[in-house]
Amino acid sequence: NAGVTQTPKFQVLKTGQSMTLQCAQDMNHNSMYWYRQDPGMGLRLIYYSASEGTTDKGEVPNGYNVSRLNKREFSLRLESAAPSQTSVYFCASSDPLGGYGYTFGSGTRLTVV
Amino acid sequence: GESVGLHLPTLSVQEGDNSIINCAYSNSASDYFIWYKQESGKGPQFIIDIRSNMDKRQGQRVTVLLNKTVKHLSLQIAATQPGDSAVYFCAENNAGNMLTFGGGTRLMVKP
Repeated sequence: NAGVTQTPKFQVLKTGQSMTLQCAQDMNHNSMYWYRQDPGMGLRLIYYSASEGTTDKGEVPNGYNVSRLNKREFSLRLESAAPSQTSVYFCASSDPLGGYGYTFGSGTRLTVV
Repeated sequence: GESVGLHLPTLSVQEGDNSIINCAYSNSASDYFIWYKQESGKGPQFIIDIRSNMDKRQGQRVTVLLNKTVKHLSLQIAATQPGDSAVYFCAENNAGNMLTFGGGTRLMVKP
C-alpha cells in the first residue's frame, strides 16, 4: 500500500552537478507528474506524462528532463543543477489525466549550493 | 491567465472551533475542484472534491461549498483539532486538463 514513492528524500548538489529524482507508483495509474514547490508559492508543474511512452512540458520545464521508464516509473533529471532549482519536488499520479485527484509522493528536498 | 487563489495566507483558530478556508478561482470553465492538506514535510493529501454540478459536499468533519456565481470555493472544518494544523490548497480542473493549484493557506490550531 505504498502509493507514490520518491527517492531520495533529501539531496544537496553543487552548482553544475547532475542528478536524477526517482518516482514509482503502484496504483496502476496512467498519468504521472512532477511538480516543484517553493516557499510561499503553490505547486508548479514541471513535466507530465499522460501515459506510458508520452511526456509533455508543464509550466516550468527549463533545466529539467524526464523519462517515463514504464507505467510505474517517472524520473526527473537535472543535467546541470543551478541554485534556482533549490526546491521541494513532488511526484504525483492520477487516472485519468488531470482527474479524480492526484496522489502525491512525500517529496524530495533539493538544495543546490 | 486563469488562476486559483486564496484570500487568507494564514488562519489561526482555537481548538474546537470551526474553520473556514476560502479560495477564489477565475476559470469559469473549471468543472472539478479539490482540497488538499499538506502537513510539514509531507506531500499534499486529498481531502475532498466537488464537481461543478454540485454546490455542497460533506465528508467527515469537512464540508466543501462551491459558489459558481462568484467563483468561490470554501472548505469548512468542524471542531478543529490540533491534527488539522497544516497548509490547505485548493485546486481546479478544466475539462480534463492539468490541475491548477492555489498558493495555500496555513491553518494554525491553538490549544
